[in-house]
Amino acid sequence: AQSVTQLDSQVPVFEEAPVELRCNYSSSVSVYLFWYVQYPNQGLQLLLKYLSGSTLVKGINGFEAEFNKSQTSFHLRKPSVHISDTAEYFCAVSVEYGGSQGNLIFGKGTKLSVKP
Amino acid sequence: KAGVTQTPRYLIKTRGQQVTLSCSPISGHRSVSWYQQTPGQGLQFLFEYFSETQRNKGNFPGRFSGRQFSNSRSEMNVSTLELGDSALYLCASSFGQAWDGYTFGSGTRLTVV
Repeated sequence: AQSVTQLDSQVPVFEEAPVELRCNYSSSVSVYLFWYVQYPNQGLQLLLKYLSGSTLVKGINGFEAEFNKSQTSFHLRKPSVHISDTAEYFCAVSVEYGGSQGNLIFGKGTKLSVKP
Repeated sequence: KAGVTQTPRYLIKTRGQQVTLSCSPISGHRSVSWYQQTPGQGLQFLFEYFSETQRNKGNFPGRFSGRQFSNSRSEMNVSTLELGDSALYLCASSFGQAWDGYTFGSGTRLTVV
């Protein structure tokens, strides 16, 4: 079975500082990896996804993530955060079953709080 | 293009009642998935429909059910509501492949009193 672990439930950071949100997954098969962001009282918005190829993936709003197969990690980074990045971030994994889509399995989320 | 639309946005029901939530996916998307989000359990997968057929199902009791229509619109129904069913219910749509990723709606906030 697949699972996703987000190592930090809350990450406080000052504005313009760099941030890394950590995500580890477990799976016995190849997976597709995603990061989503959720702003208060809203649904989830896709930040970026890793399907194959280059292990460094760039997404929206200046975020990027690096896939590390040996460490089964997919950490999200941003070199300089803004107040508007305050939100909850979810890492997710998807597995393909015989050509069709398996459900997305989410981590518990990391609340990023950017302070002025 | 229009996003995923969920109605209603907010709902208050009493224990024992039933409720139906609606989701209209992005045009062209054939897969609709439903998630329950609570502070304690996080995002939990309910079920996924693809071309009117339930393709995947999470670990929820039979009180939770869903269906998908020929235009890909989906409904989920919860019967005999319990206090613990209070949650944000999120619908997401995609083309149906594992690598697609989902587009989420804003959710329906259900409060059971």
